[in-house]
Amino acid sequence: GAVVSQHPSWVICKSGTSVKIECRSLDFQATTMFWYRQFPKQSLMLMATSNEGSKATYEQGVEKDKFLINHASLTLSTLTVTSAHPEDSSFYICSARRGTSPTDTQYFGPGTRLTVL
Amino acid sequence: DAKTTQPTSMDCAEGRAANLPCNHSTISGNEYVYWYRQIHSQGPQYIIHGLKNNETNEMASLIITEDRKSSTLILPHATLRDTAVYYCIVSGYSTLTFGKGTMLLVSP
Repeated sequence: GAVVSQHPSWVICKSGTSVKIECRSLDFQATTMFWYRQFPKQSLMLMATSNEGSKATYEQGVEKDKFLINHASLTLSTLTVTSAHPEDSSFYICSARRGTSPTDTQYFGPGTRLTVL
Repeated sequence: DAKTTQPTSMDCAEGRAANLPCNHSTISGNEYVYWYRQIHSQGPQYIIHGLKNNETNEMASLIITEDRKSSTLILPHATLRDTAVYYCIVSGYSTLTFGKGTMLLVSP
């Protein structure tokens, strides 16, 4: 149990285009999902927290108009990178919290590698 | 969240126990200790977590000192597939803050 999937696993796009990444909890409902970004040889950095049916909470320095997050159901959250540029190339990873307590375990997806040309 | 300190890297022979230490001297009473690992180019994998008691599951054991200022993750019989970066995270809230972790290299 506690499987989280992401789609696509990798994507290459041209500068200026938008890319949507999906994150699904396959065998549990997730009221809260998280989006992280990881640059090469660095650790994961939290970008935003999304709660089902409400607006996402973004970390300081993350542009909410550039990284659009939608959490329309208890099993699906999407991250759209709008007008992508080469500096947005990174490994994007989502996680889903199983349960409603803040200390319930987060399970991570396999990640999506974005390359912007 | 309380800060954690982990060694940058560790080596372990295949089949032996791997003991990964973590210091978290500023941990608060309501904060849990979580361990995740990340194999290259994959998302982090949950291993185990605990509040104050020692915990064991099919993957590992977590030993937390009585004062809760440090903990040790034990992989009882390390395999080559256990080579990964191991993150010790202390949190009492929704978010997890990842540090640099310990790069564990398991060798034949």
